[in-house]
Amino acid sequence: NAGVTQTPKFQVLKTGQSMTLQCAQDMNHNSMYWYRQDPGMGLRLIYYSASEGTTDKGEVPNGYNVSRLNKREFSLRLESAAPSQTSVYFCASSGGADSNSPLHFGNGTRLTVT
Amino acid sequence: KNQVEQSPQSLIILEGKNCTLQCNYTVSPFSNLRWYKQDTGRGPVSLTIMTFSENTKSNGRYTATLDADTKQSSLHITASQLSDSASYICVVSWMDSSYKLIFGSGTRLLVRP
Repeated sequence: NAGVTQTPKFQVLKTGQSMTLQCAQDMNHNSMYWYRQDPGMGLRLIYYSASEGTTDKGEVPNGYNVSRLNKREFSLRLESAAPSQTSVYFCASSGGADSNSPLHFGNGTRLTVT
Repeated sequence: KNQVEQSPQSLIILEGKNCTLQCNYTVSPFSNLRWYKQDTGRGPVSLTIMTFSENTKSNGRYTATLDADTKQSSLHITASQLSDSASYICVVSWMDSSYKLIFGSGTRLLVRP
């Protein structure tokens, strides 16, 4: 049982390059999320998808786009990377959108933009 | 402003000792409070979820307490092990929604032999 799988684990981009971070879950969860984690700060929500076919902006969506490809997969795209997007990105999923559903996180993608 | 503050920022203890981590929050309306453990290079893993009416919740050697009146929570680790070395993150949910979460910046715990 893999849980939440993220690829790639590491990535280095030059300013202006684009890339897509992939996320897949095998727990049949309805809700999926993308967070970023920066040193000294709490995780911040970029985008979420409450169910297949829906996506919504979180706290810090600028510079990102997402696609809920199907129930299992939720990708995050950086169209034109900037140094401010250097961060660790976590994908998560939960069984429901209520607050009592625990989040299950992947192991992150460490992105450096030079 | 909704905020979650954790203390201390970092802590070093000897193996076998107990420790307590603190979380203060100013989140309204409060729905629940969670503690996560994050090992280096890994994603956070849920330890406990506590609702407004719960004062104490245990998960093995981890015991979380919640005082909703003073808006404080603590995570007590008993008989620490080397594997407890990690960051511990306090998360408060508001508006009864899984995407309305306020994350603390974590306490980094190092357990030394």
